[in-house]
Amino acid sequence: GENVEQHPSTLSVQEGDSAVIKCTYSDSASNYFPWYKQELGKRPQLIIDIRSNVGEKKDQRIAVTLNKTAKHFSLHITETQPEDSAVYFCAARGPYNNNDMRFGAGTRLTVKP
Amino acid sequence: EAQVTQNPRYLITVTGKKLTVTCSQNMNHEYMSWYRQDPGLGLRQIYYSMNVEATDKGDVPEGYKVSRKEKRNFPLILESPSPNQTSLYFCASSLRSSGYEQFFGPGTRLTVL
Repeated sequence: GENVEQHPSTLSVQEGDSAVIKCTYSDSASNYFPWYKQELGKRPQLIIDIRSNVGEKKDQRIAVTLNKTAKHFSLHITETQPEDSAVYFCAARGPYNNNDMRFGAGTRLTVKP
Repeated sequence: EAQVTQNPRYLITVTGKKLTVTCSQNMNHEYMSWYRQDPGLGLRQIYYSMNVEATDKGDVPEGYKVSRKEKRNFPLILESPSPNQTSLYFCASSLRSSGYEQFFGPGTRLTVL
């Protein structure tokens, strides 16, 4: 089955700097790649997603890039703010029109004021 | 209000005592999933469902059962809970036609003594 690896496990940046989190996946037929943000004690919430037919997607300060050949995708957060501090999860959905979703282990992002 | 609900939110039980965690969504979503979240391991899919009477195993199905008799409900059953099932559990649902964005429930923290 699909295997998703996420790096780094922790990331600390200064407010205003950029943060980049990277994920790799194993199944080249995976076709949907979401990113979730989970604040302490809360449920995961989708912040951005990308499909396999798109190379990049941007939403204000957040962007995701996908390299299908290398089977990796990345989350980019620019102009980070303290409220960006949270755990971020990447995920990859299997290719067989089902609901098989595999998550990375998560990255704890800390933005220092 | 569109939402995914789970009950109970917190549960402490003993080894071997059967329990059910309920999950309900009011968004007419076809897809539903159960995940467990453990430190350092991210979210791991237990079971998923594509529609009524259509379920399949995820990454870590051992020791769990599910059923999908109605579209809105997707209960998680632990027939004989063990301490290694102590975890934070999330239910999620998504609309097949909208691109698979998953909406998570608030979580159920289960402790098995």
